[in-house]
Amino acid sequence: DVKVTQSSRYLVKRTGEKVFLECVQDMDHENMFWYRQDPGLGLRLIYFSYDVKMKEKGDIPEGYSVSREKKERFSLILESASTNQTSMYLCASRARAGGTYEQYFGPGTRLTVT
Amino acid sequence: SQELEQSPQSLIVQEGKNLTINCTSSKTLYGLYWYKQKYGEGLIFLMMLQKGGEEKSHEKITAKLDEKKQQSSLHITASQPSHAGIYLCGARIQGAQKLVFGQGTRLTINP
Repeated sequence: DVKVTQSSRYLVKRTGEKVFLECVQDMDHENMFWYRQDPGLGLRLIYFSYDVKMKEKGDIPEGYSVSREKKERFSLILESASTNQTSMYLCASRARAGGTYEQYFGPGTRLTVT
Repeated sequence: SQELEQSPQSLIVQEGKNLTINCTSSKTLYGLYWYKQKYGEGLIFLMMLQKGGEEKSHEKITAKLDEKKQQSSLHITASQPSHAGIYLCGARIQGAQKLVFGQGTRLTINP
């Protein structure tokens, strides 16, 4: 079974802090994704990566950056956390496109910025 | 506006009743994925539909893809408390290299 893990289930940070969210997958997937989920808005893509050291902006990249130094690990960085970044953050991975775009999701990190 | 619209956004049904959730795209669909999310947790993959007219079932959950209407429906028969959660549809749509998601449908099952 594919396993996607995220470093924290719950996180509370102060405004202005730098925040790191880690995601690790064990299926040698090339593609990894970071989403945020907010009530009424569904999942919105922040950044994705299709290979080591490669990244692309999603729909809402402002205020975020990412790092992919190893294939299995994709980190989301909030350079200076703000209260409007309070959200549920979900990481996903999938194999390189070959007919299916099925994504496997981690359990999520609920981040609260005070 | 959402490229994928789910309806209803919220649904409360009595245990044992049937229900349907719809997912409609404003663009051509190239693959439709249904996920379930338990409150506060990650997404669990349910089913994938790729061809018009395709229908898949898993236990008491059936999903269909209507290519002409650019719509998928998820039907639960004889609902149980274990069906409660948030159902999200995701799709590959025309012009997108990634999945887009609907806003989710929150399902509550009353005993």
